[in-house]
Amino acid sequence: RKEVEQDPGPFNVPEGATVAFNCTYSNSASQSFFWYRQDCRKEPKLLMSVYSSGNEDGRFTAQLNRASQYISLLIRDSKLSDSATYLCVVNKRTGGFKTIFGAGTRLFVKA
Amino acid sequence: DAEITQSPRHKITETGRQVTLACHQTWNHNNMFWYRQDLGHGLRLIHYSYGVHDTNKGEVSDGYSVSRSNTEDLPLTLESAASSQTSVYFCASSETVAASYNEQFFGPGTRLTVL
Repeated sequence: RKEVEQDPGPFNVPEGATVAFNCTYSNSASQSFFWYRQDCRKEPKLLMSVYSSGNEDGRFTAQLNRASQYISLLIRDSKLSDSATYLCVVNKRTGGFKTIFGAGTRLFVKA
Repeated sequence: DAEITQSPRHKITETGRQVTLACHQTWNHNNMFWYRQDLGHGLRLIHYSYGVHDTNKGEVSDGYSVSRSNTEDLPLTLESAASSQTSVYFCASSETVAASYNEQFFGPGTRLTVL
């Protein structure tokens, strides 16, 4: 079982739709959590950190559920420009520092 | 502006050849990382460094080596290229490992094909 698991998708949604991605992690020692965005044939870039209390950045909302070991990303009012792959990222410290990337969820927003 | 660059951007080589991929960052970050990205696997860590003369193995380090002689550069060497090493390689850097927020900044990637 992978340490970080995501639904690979693709999610195909119309403009204006709300879409949610989930990510589960297996290691309870995981300490910090992020969502990265990766456009086709480009490098990953940080979209947002995920805090225990949940956090929002414009149309994007991230949630963390430590008890169930999952994080989520909600995108409201989807735009064509949101089409990308969204990577769930988990940092853990168990004897050393380790960052684990999920394989990503592909999103296609269509007009 | 600070940045992280990789060269070459595309490389085709033959099985058995030694290949070196360059990574250069001007963020003055102590931490640098090499990943490979393959369909279905996401980003997998090859090697990483927390500072000059420090190197550590990641989860897929076999067949790869790195050296860190200065803050700015972390070249990745494939000792004897194999077809299984055909992949997209990303270099990244980050400021600190202690803080809970340690954004990694990625280079544009190198697409390597081993024939």
